[in-house]
Amino acid sequence: DAGVTQSPTHLIKTRGQQVTLRCSPKSGHDTVSWYQQALGQGPQFIFQYYEEEERQRGNFPDRFSGHQFPNYSSELNVNALLLGDSALYLCASSLMVTAEAFFGQGTRLTVV
Amino acid sequence: KQEVTQIPAALSVPEGENLVLNCSFTDSAIYNLQWFRQDPGKGLTSLLLIQSSQREQTSGRLNASLDKSSGRSTLYIAASQPGDSATYLCAVLGGNFGNEKLTFGTGTRLTIIP
Repeated sequence: DAGVTQSPTHLIKTRGQQVTLRCSPKSGHDTVSWYQQALGQGPQFIFQYYEEEERQRGNFPDRFSGHQFPNYSSELNVNALLLGDSALYLCASSLMVTAEAFFGQGTRLTVV
Repeated sequence: KQEVTQIPAALSVPEGENLVLNCSFTDSAIYNLQWFRQDPGKGLTSLLLIQSSQREQTSGRLNASLDKSSGRSTLYIAASQPGDSATYLCAVLGGNFGNEKLTFGTGTRLTIIP
């Protein structure tokens, strides 16, 4: 079992650009959630996808959007990047029934 | 709004000691509570999950307790080892649907001195 996999591991973008991060959930999981972790802080909830729909959203602007595919994999898109979007982006997968979260290794996004 | 606090923010102990990390939360309407470990620049590794109806869980040298009514959880690490050095994060699961959003504390940075 490969666990939760995220790509890419590191990314450098220029302010104003757009970025897409990808996540493959743990085998058998049907739910994917995305979190943003700034340096020295705990992760902050961005949104959760289940059955290809956004189920719940945290306090993030519309520049942050996502998608879940029929194979349960997911993408996080961020438009019009700001310097403050620099962070570690974490994907978590779970089964809706048990709700135990398993995290990937994250994507380190740096906006310059 | 759920808030999670972890005390202490940092802790250094000699190898072999037993230690306790603390976590408190403001809203007792939680689905479950998870303890995670995070190494620098890495993702989160799940250590223990306690369902809201449970009082404690154990895995090897780790024991986590949950007192939902008082909004507290503790993570007990026995016979600490240098490899235990990491940041430990506590998170409670809740939200509008009850089980979609993890709210995290800011973590306890643990250093085990050989």
